[in-house]
Parts: sequence; C-alpha cells; structure tokens
Amino acid sequence: EDQVTQSPEALRLQEGESSSLNCSYTVSGLRGLFWYRQDPGKGPEFLFTLYSAGEEKEKERLKATLTKKESFLHITAPKPEDSATYLCAVQAGDTGRRALTFGSGTRLQVQP
Amino acid sequence: ETGVTQSPTHLIKTRGQQVTLRCSSQSGHNTVSWYQQALGQGPQFIFQYYREEENGRGNFPPRFSGLQFPNYSSELNVNALELDDSALYLCASGGTSGPIRNEQYFGPGTRLTVT
Repeated sequence: EDQVTQSPEALRLQEGESSSLNCSYTVSGLRGLFWYRQDPGKGPEFLFTLYSAGEEKEKERLKATLTKKESFLHITAPKPEDSATYLCAVQAGDTGRRALTFGSGTRLQVQP
Repeated sequence: ETGVTQSPTHLIKTRGQQVTLRCSSQSGHNTVSWYQQALGQGPQFIFQYYREEENGRGNFPPRFSGLQFPNYSSELNVNALELDDSALYLCASGGTSGPIRNEQYFGPGTRLTVT
C-alpha cells in the first residue's frame, strides 16, 4: 500500500526565516511525486512534479527536491503570503490509473 | 486558476438523503478524478474516469458512484448519506499524454455537510 508521511504537521516561521518541509513516501514504482499548496476552504493548487531521484524544481521562493525515499520543499526567505497548507502526493507507476496518494500536509504560518 | 469548476460551492443534506455534485474539467483534459478531504487531512482518492468509464477506485463503498460525459464534465453521486460523509469533495482533471500527462489540477471543491 502506498504511504506518504509529512513532517512537521505545523510550522511557524518569521518572515525571512528559511526552512524545509519533509515528505517521506513508500510506493510500488514511483510514477511521480507532486507538491500542492492549499489555502483554507479551497482546492489544492499545483506546484511541482518530480519524477526521479536527484531532480530539483524551483518556483519563486520554493524549491522541491527528490530522493528515493523522500522529498523536501525548501522555502527561502518566506513571506506572510506563503502561509498555507503544503500537500505532498505520490502516483504509483504499476497501475493504469493516475490516483494520487496524499499526506496529511504541513500547515505553514509565516508571521511578519 | 485551473479552469476546473465545481458546483455547488456548499451543500447541506440530511442523513439518508442522496446528493449529486458536478464538475467541469479543464479544456484538453480527458481524465477526471474525485477526492474526499476531511478536515485536517489530505485528500483521499474516490475514483477516476477516463473515456466515460471508471478507471480505478479507492476504498469507498458502492454508494459512491459517478459519471463522466462526452464533454468531460462529471458527476459524483452519493446515496444514503452518513454523517461521516461530511467533507470537502474535490474534482481533479488531467491529461494522458504530453508534458502534463501525470498531473492533476483541482477545482475549488464542494463543501458537503450532513446533519
């Protein structure tokens, strides 16, 4: 069974204080690992897809990296508008469907 | 914004009733998936449709059913509602080829409350 564990559950940062969010996963043949941002009461917003160990992607203050067992979302010099829940999900490559298995998310709060 | 729309935004139903939620996929996408998200949890996969047929189901009972239409719009039907069905229901659309073939883009969700 595919599993995704995210840590920490919640993180409070001061504006400008860089940090990393962790996503550990077990999956039968990784097709892709996905990061989403979710604001309260809204649908998840797509951020990144990573396909193989060693891959990195960047978008503004966010950088996602991938190893064979985990992924990190690095947030550099965060701003209050980066406050949200960040979700990690995996997609298994051994089936024809494209179901995503999500972790419970990390709730990030950035204080000015 | 993703171009995926859902209706209604909010819905209140009574235990035992039936509900239909609707989704309109993003242009060019041919798969639609439905997820249930309880408060404080990540979304859980309900099922996926491709070419109007169910293409995979998560651990949800048969009272959760769906349809996909030729124009790639979709419905989620839930019969015999239970209190635990209260959640945010999310629709996600995606493609099956090209650079976005594995990506899924979510709509804003429908908040269902069962009393």
